[in-house]
Amino acid sequence: EPEVTQTPSHQVTQMGQEVILRCVPISNHLYFYWYRQILGQKVEFLVSFYNNEISEKSEIFDDQFSVERPDGSNFTLKIRSTKLEDSAMYFCASSETGNYGYTFGSGTRLTVV
Amino acid sequence: GQQLNQSPQSMFIQEGEDVSMNCTSSSIFNTWLWYKQDPGEGPVLLIALYKAGELTSNGRLTAQFGITRKDSFLNISASIPSDVGIYFCAGLYSGGGADGLTFGKGTHLIIQP
Repeated sequence: EPEVTQTPSHQVTQMGQEVILRCVPISNHLYFYWYRQILGQKVEFLVSFYNNEISEKSEIFDDQFSVERPDGSNFTLKIRSTKLEDSAMYFCASSETGNYGYTFGSGTRLTVV
Repeated sequence: GQQLNQSPQSMFIQEGEDVSMNCTSSSIFNTWLWYKQDPGEGPVLLIALYKAGELTSNGRLTAQFGITRKDSFLNISASIPSDVGIYFCAGLYSGGGADGLTFGKGTHLIIQP
């Protein structure tokens, strides 16, 4: 069964450092998303991406965040200057049509120290 | 923003019992999704509902999309140990296909021996 792949599974970084989280969405999917889940809390939407541009973003997705699709297969989330409160699981998801086939990756656990 | 109220927050049941959980919202959604999340993993889609009033089954799981489009329930029949985990409802308004999912806070299912 096709899956969304995320790397790394766990990243530890120092406060103020830049991090890039990587995702390979399902190959025939057109919509890509990043979500975040702080430990013990619900999953929260960050940003959606379609047709090589951001479609929608939440209030969490401030100027410290950016997304990119550098080639035909990868989808990245960059946090420019990490803060302690950025520590969370970050999930990538992709969807075939925007609602059908909405699939999540296993996540990257980001720990900012 | 849109909010989902998911209940109960946690359930302690005996193996073999049936389980019922639900989500309500003050806003309408066009799609309801139910996910299960195991520790350290991403949400895994259980059931997707695309039409108001729709009742869909997936093995021992049954979910319904409320007729008002503001609620959904998930039932699990004859629970087994591997059903343990956190269950999330998620709603999608999907005006243009790139909207993010709004998640409930989850129902933590615990099966007592």
